Amino acid sequence: NAGVTQTPKFRILKIGQSMTLQCTQDMNHNYMYWYRQDPGMGLKLIYYSVGAGITDKGEVPNGYNVSRSTTEDFPLRLELAAPSQTSVYFCASSSNWGADSNQPQHFGDGTRLSIL
Amino acid sequence: KNEVEQSPQNLTAQEGEFITINCSYSVGISALHWLQQHPGGGIVSLFMLSSGKKKHGRLIATINIQEKHSSLHITASHPRDSAVYICAVKETSGSRLTFGEGTQLTVNP
Repeated sequence: NAGVTQTPKFRILKIGQSMTLQCTQDMNHNYMYWYRQDPGMGLKLIYYSVGAGITDKGEVPNGYNVSRSTTEDFPLRLELAAPSQTSVYFCASSSNWGADSNQPQHFGDGTRLSIL
Repeated sequence: KNEVEQSPQNLTAQEGEFITINCSYSVGISALHWLQQHPGGGIVSLFMLSSGKKKHGRLIATINIQEKHSSLHITASHPRDSAVYICAVKETSGSRLTFGEGTQLTVNP
């Protein structure tokens, strides 16, 4: 059972380049999330999705886009990379996350991204 | 002021010591999570609790909803416990997690 798989693990981009961070989960979870983790800071939610075809902004969505065409995949797109987007990115999923439900989130291993 | 505050930020212990990491929050919550992040970067969910106490092996998590406070205890600590421990809360008003900044624990042999 692979859980949540993120690719790539590391990437260096030049300013202005674009790239897609891939995330896939094999647990049939409806809820998926993208977080960024900056040094000395707590994880911040970028975007999340409650099911295929539905996405919503988190705390720090600027400079990013997402799509959710299938239950399994939730890619994160950086269109014009900026140094401020240098961070570690984590994808996570959970089976349910409504107001009346508490399920643990399962995290990927992270993607370390540097923008130079 | 962060909605979720952890203390201490850094903790160094000798193998075998009893360790306590604290988490205070300022919002109404439906659940609190303790997560572990190893040096390799992966994040693992340790506990999710909304009241009382949970135990798993040498790890114990407690929560006091009235005082808006939770603690994570590690008994008989071991160098392999060295990691960042993260507290996160799920607010009653929303569907998101709010994370603390983490506590870096180092256990020396």
